[in-house]
Amino acid sequence: EPEVTQTPSHQVTQMGQEVILRCVPISNHLYFYWYRQILGQKVEFLVSFYNNEISEKSEIFDDQFSVERPDGSNFTLKIRSTKLEDSAMYFCASSEPLGRRGGTPHEQFFGPGTRLTVL
Amino acid sequence: GENVEQHPSTLSVQEGDSAVIKCTYSDSASNYFPWYKQELGKGPQLIIDIRSNVGEKKDQRIAVTLNKTAKHFSLHITETQPEDSAVYFCAAQYSSASKIIFGSGTRLSIRP
Repeated sequence: EPEVTQTPSHQVTQMGQEVILRCVPISNHLYFYWYRQILGQKVEFLVSFYNNEISEKSEIFDDQFSVERPDGSNFTLKIRSTKLEDSAMYFCASSEPLGRRGGTPHEQFFGPGTRLTVL
Repeated sequence: GENVEQHPSTLSVQEGDSAVIKCTYSDSASNYFPWYKQELGKGPQLIIDIRSNVGEKKDQRIAVTLNKTAKHFSLHITETQPEDSAVYFCAAQYSSASKIIFGSGTRLSIRP
Protein backbone atom coordinates (compact mmCIF):
# COMPACT_ATOMS: atom_id res chain seq x y z
CA GLU A 1 0.00 0.00 0.00
CA PRO A 2 1.36 3.48 -0.85
CA GLU A 3 2.73 5.42 2.09
CA VAL A 4 4.24 8.79 2.96
CA THR A 5 7.97 8.64 3.60
CA GLN A 6 10.18 11.12 5.43
CA THR A 7 13.93 11.62 5.62
CA PRO A 8 15.94 11.75 7.71
CA SER A 9 14.38 9.88 10.62
CA HIS A 10 16.52 11.88 13.04
CA GLN A 11 18.31 15.19 12.46
CA VAL A 12 20.65 16.80 14.96
CA THR A 13 21.71 20.40 14.35
CA GLN A 14 23.28 23.35 16.08
CA MET A 15 21.20 26.37 17.03
CA GLY A 16 21.19 28.92 14.22
CA GLN A 17 21.77 26.36 11.47
CA GLU A 18 19.39 25.75 8.60
CA VAL A 19 17.67 22.40 8.25
CA ILE A 20 15.58 20.89 5.49
CA LEU A 21 13.18 18.10 6.28
CA ARG A 22 12.09 16.02 3.35
CA CYS A 23 8.88 14.22 2.59
CA VAL A 24 7.70 12.10 -0.32
CA PRO A 25 3.88 12.20 -0.30
CA ILE A 26 1.70 9.50 -1.83
CA SER A 27 2.05 9.90 -5.58
CA ASN A 28 -1.49 10.89 -6.64
CA HIS A 29 -2.10 13.19 -3.68
CA LEU A 30 -2.60 16.92 -4.19
CA TYR A 31 -2.71 18.35 -0.67
CA PHE A 32 0.29 18.43 1.61
CA TYR A 33 0.72 19.27 5.28
CA TRP A 34 3.34 19.64 8.00
CA TYR A 35 2.61 19.07 11.68
CA ARG A 36 4.95 18.99 14.65
CA GLN A 37 4.90 17.43 18.11
CA ILE A 38 7.11 18.76 20.86
CA LEU A 39 7.92 15.99 23.33
CA GLY A 40 5.04 15.46 25.71
CA GLN A 41 2.77 17.93 23.92
CA LYS A 42 0.04 17.86 21.30
CA VAL A 43 0.50 17.36 17.59
CA GLU A 44 0.23 20.91 16.14
CA PHE A 45 -0.64 22.02 12.63
CA LEU A 46 2.04 24.07 10.88
CA VAL A 47 1.04 24.55 7.24
CA SER A 48 -1.01 23.18 4.37
CA PHE A 49 -0.01 23.40 0.70
CA TYR A 50 -2.02 22.99 -2.48
CA ASN A 51 -1.47 23.91 -6.11
CA ASN A 52 2.05 25.14 -5.37
CA GLU A 53 1.07 27.60 -2.72
CA ILE A 54 0.38 27.75 1.00
CA SER A 55 -3.35 27.40 1.65
CA GLU A 56 -3.24 27.83 5.42
CA LYS A 57 -0.58 28.31 8.10
CA SER A 58 -0.55 28.52 11.86
CA GLU A 59 1.01 31.21 14.02
CA ILE A 60 3.90 28.84 14.63
CA PHE A 61 4.80 29.00 10.92
CA ASP A 62 6.67 32.31 11.00
CA ASP A 63 9.26 33.76 8.63
CA GLN A 64 11.83 31.18 9.75
CA PHE A 65 9.79 28.44 8.10
CA SER A 66 9.19 27.78 4.43
CA VAL A 67 7.83 24.94 2.35
CA GLU A 68 8.52 23.91 -1.19
CA ARG A 69 7.59 21.28 -3.70
CA PRO A 70 10.77 21.37 -5.78
CA ASP A 71 9.76 18.56 -8.12
CA GLY A 72 6.89 16.20 -8.73
CA SER A 73 7.61 13.98 -5.77
CA ASN A 74 9.23 15.84 -2.85
CA PHE A 75 7.71 18.23 -0.32
CA THR A 76 10.17 20.00 1.98
CA LEU A 77 10.07 22.02 5.18
CA LYS A 78 12.95 24.43 5.72
CA ILE A 79 13.81 26.09 8.99
CA ARG A 80 16.25 28.92 8.27
CA SER A 81 17.81 29.52 11.67
CA THR A 82 16.91 26.82 14.15
CA LYS A 83 16.14 27.58 17.79
CA LEU A 84 16.21 25.24 20.76
CA GLU A 85 12.40 25.33 20.88
CA ASP A 86 12.23 23.93 17.33
CA SER A 87 13.24 20.55 18.72
CA ALA A 88 10.29 18.28 17.99
CA MET A 89 8.97 15.44 15.86
CA TYR A 90 7.88 16.78 12.48
CA PHE A 91 5.20 14.90 10.56
CA CYS A 92 4.37 15.28 6.90
CA ALA A 93 0.93 14.30 5.61
CA SER A 94 -0.80 14.20 2.26
CA SER A 95 -4.35 13.77 1.02
CA GLU A 96 -6.43 13.77 -2.10
CA PRO A 97 -10.03 14.91 -2.58
CA LEU A 98 -11.71 11.63 -3.29
CA GLY A 99 -10.14 9.46 -0.67
CA ARG A 100 -9.52 5.78 -0.97
CA ARG A 101 -12.27 3.72 -2.52
CA GLY A 102 -15.03 3.76 0.06
CA GLY A 103 -12.89 5.79 2.41
CA THR A 104 -12.86 9.33 3.73
CA PRO A 105 -12.34 12.20 1.25
CA HIS A 106 -9.25 14.19 2.14
CA GLU A 107 -8.07 11.60 4.66
CA GLN A 108 -4.63 12.75 5.68
CA PHE A 109 -1.99 10.04 5.54
CA PHE A 110 0.96 10.66 7.84
CA GLY A 111 4.60 9.80 7.43
CA PRO A 112 6.64 8.27 10.28
CA GLY A 113 8.14 11.64 11.24
CA THR A 114 11.54 13.27 11.52
CA ARG A 115 12.88 13.85 15.00
CA LEU A 116 14.69 17.21 15.00
CA THR A 117 17.07 17.91 17.87
CA VAL A 118 18.53 21.42 18.13
CA LEU A 119 21.56 21.73 20.39
CA GLY B 1 -9.37 29.61 19.85
CA GLU B 2 -9.65 26.06 18.63
CA ASN B 3 -8.88 23.47 21.28
CA VAL B 4 -9.48 19.78 21.88
CA GLU B 5 -9.16 18.32 25.38
CA GLN B 6 -8.60 14.58 25.83
CA HIS B 7 -8.80 12.29 28.88
CA PRO B 8 -7.29 10.21 30.28
CA SER B 9 -3.66 10.69 29.32
CA THR B 10 -2.89 7.05 30.17
CA LEU B 11 -5.20 4.07 30.38
CA SER B 12 -4.43 0.47 31.31
CA VAL B 13 -7.08 -2.21 30.84
CA GLN B 14 -7.17 -5.99 31.11
CA GLU B 15 -7.21 -7.83 27.81
CA GLY B 16 -10.81 -8.47 26.83
CA ASP B 17 -12.17 -5.50 28.76
CA SER B 18 -13.39 -2.25 27.22
CA ALA B 19 -11.54 1.05 26.95
CA VAL B 20 -13.13 4.48 26.72
CA ILE B 21 -11.40 7.72 25.79
CA LYS B 22 -13.22 11.04 26.05
CA CYS B 23 -12.72 14.37 24.31
CA THR B 24 -14.27 17.80 24.26
CA TYR B 25 -13.86 20.53 21.67
CA SER B 26 -14.25 24.26 21.85
CA ASP B 27 -15.11 25.41 18.32
CA SER B 28 -18.80 24.89 17.54
CA ALA B 29 -17.95 25.18 13.82
CA SER B 30 -16.16 21.80 13.93
CA ASN B 31 -18.03 19.25 11.84
CA TYR B 32 -15.69 16.32 11.47
CA PHE B 33 -14.10 14.27 14.26
CA PRO B 34 -11.44 11.71 13.35
CA TRP B 35 -9.59 9.36 15.71
CA TYR B 36 -5.99 8.38 15.13
CA LYS B 37 -3.87 5.52 16.41
CA GLN B 38 -0.13 5.99 16.66
CA GLU B 39 2.14 3.00 17.07
CA LEU B 40 5.78 3.24 18.04
CA GLY B 41 7.92 4.70 15.27
CA LYS B 42 4.97 5.52 13.03
CA GLY B 43 2.84 8.52 12.26
CA PRO B 44 -0.81 8.81 13.30
CA GLN B 45 -3.19 6.58 11.35
CA LEU B 46 -6.92 7.21 10.95
CA ILE B 47 -8.97 4.43 12.54
CA ILE B 48 -12.49 5.84 12.60
CA ASP B 49 -14.25 9.16 12.10
CA ILE B 50 -17.66 10.71 12.68
CA ARG B 51 -19.41 13.69 11.18
CA SER B 52 -21.53 16.18 13.07
CA ASN B 53 -24.80 14.98 11.58
CA VAL B 54 -24.28 11.52 13.10
CA GLY B 55 -24.51 10.59 16.79
CA GLU B 56 -22.78 7.23 16.71
CA LYS B 57 -20.69 5.11 14.38
CA LYS B 58 -19.36 1.60 14.80
CA ASP B 59 -16.68 -0.41 13.01
CA GLN B 60 -16.21 -3.91 14.44
CA ARG B 61 -14.77 -3.47 17.97
CA ILE B 62 -14.47 0.31 17.71
CA ALA B 63 -17.28 2.81 18.17
CA VAL B 64 -17.43 6.58 18.41
CA THR B 65 -20.17 8.73 19.88
CA LEU B 66 -20.76 12.45 19.42
CA ASN B 67 -22.82 14.85 21.50
CA LYS B 68 -22.71 18.04 19.47
CA THR B 69 -24.74 20.03 21.99
CA ALA B 70 -22.28 19.27 24.78
CA LYS B 71 -19.29 19.26 22.40
CA HIS B 72 -18.25 15.83 23.67
CA PHE B 73 -17.10 12.83 21.68
CA SER B 74 -15.78 9.46 22.78
CA LEU B 75 -13.97 6.39 21.50
CA HIS B 76 -15.01 2.96 22.75
CA ILE B 77 -12.91 -0.14 22.14
CA THR B 78 -14.49 -3.42 23.17
CA GLU B 79 -12.85 -6.83 23.67
CA THR B 80 -9.44 -5.22 23.78
CA GLN B 81 -6.46 -7.12 22.40
CA PRO B 82 -2.68 -6.67 22.84
CA GLU B 83 -2.41 -5.05 19.41
CA ASP B 84 -4.70 -2.26 20.60
CA SER B 85 -1.81 -0.94 22.73
CA ALA B 86 -0.85 2.43 21.22
CA VAL B 87 -1.35 6.17 21.62
CA TYR B 88 -4.79 7.34 20.52
CA PHE B 89 -5.56 10.92 19.45
CA CYS B 90 -8.95 12.49 19.05
CA ALA B 91 -9.22 15.45 16.71
CA ALA B 92 -11.60 18.02 15.30
CA GLN B 93 -11.79 19.69 11.91
CA TYR B 94 -14.12 22.08 10.10
CA SER B 95 -14.24 19.49 7.35
CA SER B 96 -12.18 16.49 6.37
CA ALA B 97 -10.15 18.82 4.10
CA SER B 98 -9.11 21.32 6.75
CA LYS B 99 -6.26 21.35 9.28
CA ILE B 100 -6.47 18.82 12.09
CA ILE B 101 -6.72 20.06 15.68
CA PHE B 102 -5.44 17.19 17.82
CA GLY B 103 -6.14 16.25 21.41
CA SER B 104 -3.20 15.56 23.69
CA GLY B 105 -3.30 11.79 23.25
CA THR B 106 -4.06 8.75 25.41
CA ARG B 107 -1.50 6.02 25.89
CA LEU B 108 -3.51 2.79 26.04
CA SER B 109 -1.88 -0.33 27.48
CA ILE B 110 -3.55 -3.72 27.35
CA ARG B 111 -2.55 -6.05 30.20
CA PRO B 112 -2.39 -9.77 29.30
